[in-house]
Amino acid sequence: AQKVTQAQTEISVVEKEDVTLDCVYETRDTTYYLFWYKQPPSGELVFLIRRNSFDEQNEISGRYSWNFQKSTSSFNFTITASQVVDSAVYFCALSEADIQGAQKLVFGQGTRLTINP
Amino acid sequence: DAGITQSPRHKVTETGTPVTLRCHQTENHRYMYWYRQDPGHGLRLIHYSYGVKDTDKGEVSDGYSVSRSKTEDFLLTLESATSSQTSVYFCATDRGFYGYTFGSGTRLTVV
Repeated sequence: AQKVTQAQTEISVVEKEDVTLDCVYETRDTTYYLFWYKQPPSGELVFLIRRNSFDEQNEISGRYSWNFQKSTSSFNFTITASQVVDSAVYFCALSEADIQGAQKLVFGQGTRLTINP
Repeated sequence: DAGITQSPRHKVTETGTPVTLRCHQTENHRYMYWYRQDPGHGLRLIHYSYGVKDTDKGEVSDGYSVSRSKTEDFLLTLESATSSQTSVYFCATDRGFYGYTFGSGTRLTVV
């Protein structure tokens, strides 16, 4: 069965520090997608990125970057020069496709990130 | 995201009563999902739909049923609410490359 592990339950850093959120996954599928979502204190879930299992290129979007390593089944997320507005719970997720084409997501437990001024 | 609406946003109900949560989308997406969020568990899939009247169970489906009579509406019913079903419920649609769009969530308390 699919599994996603976010071993860091809570992280607290001072503003402007870089921070990396770890995500390790398990799957027997050869084709799958990995995601990161952000849940700010207001409670909504915000899509950050989707990565195809065949695309191991690292991704950078502003202060955010993602490192996908298939060899270690990891999909880590780094925030550079963190800001208070980055404070949120971050979820890593793995897709599980079914025969109907649905992409069911399996989520990690989440990492609560607090950026202190 | 304005394309998906959940109702109600908050509900308190008594143990043993039936409860229905509604998810409404305006973007004609085929796939819709219901998740529950609990501390320490992240989000877990309850049920999902791959078309009108086509649904299937997820990881934590016991005690829940769903219905989808129109593309835009996906209903989640707790047949006889229990305290263990106190949770935050999220509906989602699949936008493909752009991942899921989630609703704002329904906070359900069973007393």
